Amino acid sequence: NAGVTQTPKFQVLKTGQSMTLQCAQDMNHNSMYWYRQDPGMGLRLIYYSASEGTTDKGEVPNGYNVSRLNKREFSLRLESAAPSQTSVYFCASRGLYNEQFFGPGTRLTVL
Amino acid sequence: QQQVKQSPQSLIVQKGGISIINCAYENTAFDYFPWYQQFPGKGPALLIAIRPDVSEKKEGRFTISFNKSAKQFSLHIMDSQPGDSATYFCAASSSGGSYIPTFGRGTSLIVHP
Repeated sequence: NAGVTQTPKFQVLKTGQSMTLQCAQDMNHNSMYWYRQDPGMGLRLIYYSASEGTTDKGEVPNGYNVSRLNKREFSLRLESAAPSQTSVYFCASRGLYNEQFFGPGTRLTVL
Repeated sequence: QQQVKQSPQSLIVQKGGISIINCAYENTAFDYFPWYQQFPGKGPALLIAIRPDVSEKKEGRFTISFNKSAKQFSLHIMDSQPGDSATYFCAASSSGGSYIPTFGRGTSLIVHP
C-alpha cells in the first residue's frame, strides 16, 4: 500500500499562474483533507471532504478550490497564485480511529 | 482563535535526557488527542494517541500524560536520542461532526549527541 501520495513534490509558479495539486489514497478512507504548513503556524486546514461528493471550507480557504474526484482522489487548485500561497501543502486522509495519514507534501513557491 | 496551545516552540535536550512537550486545549468536546512526528522534508506521521478515558499511555520511550480536569496533555520522550530530533505536533478532535482536528503550532526538538 502506498498510503497517501501527492504530486508534484516541488513546484515554482509565477504570480497569476494556476495549478492543481493532486492527492490520492489507497486505504479506502472516506475523509480527506488539505493543509498548508508555514513556519511557526502549524498545520492549517484549507478544505476537507468528509465523504465522496462533499467538500467544505476549512480555516484558510481563500484562493483555493478543491475537487473530490472519487473516493481515492482529492485535488487542490490554485486559480491565480499569489506569493502568500508559498507554502508546503499536505494532503491527508482520516483513519478508522480518527488518526490522520499524511502525504509527503508539495513544496510550492510563488514568485 | 487557537484552540490548542503547544509549548515550548523549541527544545534542546542532551542524549539520554527527557523531552517534555505540553499542550492545552479549550474545547471540552475533544475526545481524541494524537501526537505527530515530522522529520524535515517529510509529512507528519502519527506517533501516539490517547483518549480521555485513560490518564496515561505508553509506547516504548514515548508516553502521553492526560489531565482532563486541567484540559492539558503532554508528550514525554524518555532516553531521548539524536534520531528523535524532529518537529512534534499535538492535535485534538471530537468524534462528533466532521472530525476536524485542531493542531498545535509544533515543537522543534533537537537532541544533542
